[in-house]
Amino acid sequence: GAGVSQSPSNKVTEKGKDVELRCDPISGHTALYWYRQSLGQGLEFLIYFQGNSAPDKSGLPSDRFSAERTGGSVSTLTIQRTQQEDSAVYLCASSLVTGFAGANVLTFGAGSRLTVL
Amino acid sequence: AQRVTQPEKLLSVFKGAPVELKCNYSYSGSPELFWYVQYSRQRLQLLLRHISRESIKGFTADLNKGETSFHLKKPFAQEEDSAMYYCALYSNNDMRFGAGTRLTVKP
Repeated sequence: GAGVSQSPSNKVTEKGKDVELRCDPISGHTALYWYRQSLGQGLEFLIYFQGNSAPDKSGLPSDRFSAERTGGSVSTLTIQRTQQEDSAVYLCASSLVTGFAGANVLTFGAGSRLTVL
Repeated sequence: AQRVTQPEKLLSVFKGAPVELKCNYSYSGSPELFWYVQYSRQRLQLLLRHISRESIKGFTADLNKGETSFHLKKPFAQEEDSAMYYCALYSNNDMRFGAGTRLTVKP
């Protein structure tokens, strides 16, 4: 597609349920990022993928969070046993990885708004 | 590890007034710095990058390595500049953002 697609755009779930958020990056973009955007917390880094591997998982808030990427394309962020503090907008972004300084620009999706009741 | 600090969560100015959104970074190498903007009900998008030394929508940002800063400036703010602004630092295939500053330009 022409842009980064995220689904669902909105998800309301009950505390304790598992949720899956999906990101479809721009074709050919090797790097994929997940961020969490919540009121008062700004843009919190969660994880990034280079191809299918995730060199840095340190941003995941707890072991209830996991992410995978397959085929160097689609990524899924899974939150198990959701808690109310997980409520936020989850943003995905992708980029080409180049060797040129300043060229590593992220293109963002519209986000998935998660509400945990 | 790299770190980006935006000390102001909220900034309010009147139309026509100068505006400066502060950004400081912590990084041992040569930084690649960016400003991203999110207008109401729109996606987060790139505003400008330090390497290009460009002016976008009247905004400029100069990298000051001595002060480890990359402040965003505009001499005459417009109402349409009201948005959320994020400073970002890229290194080793990793993009980290500051907490963001919400700019409100009042008429």
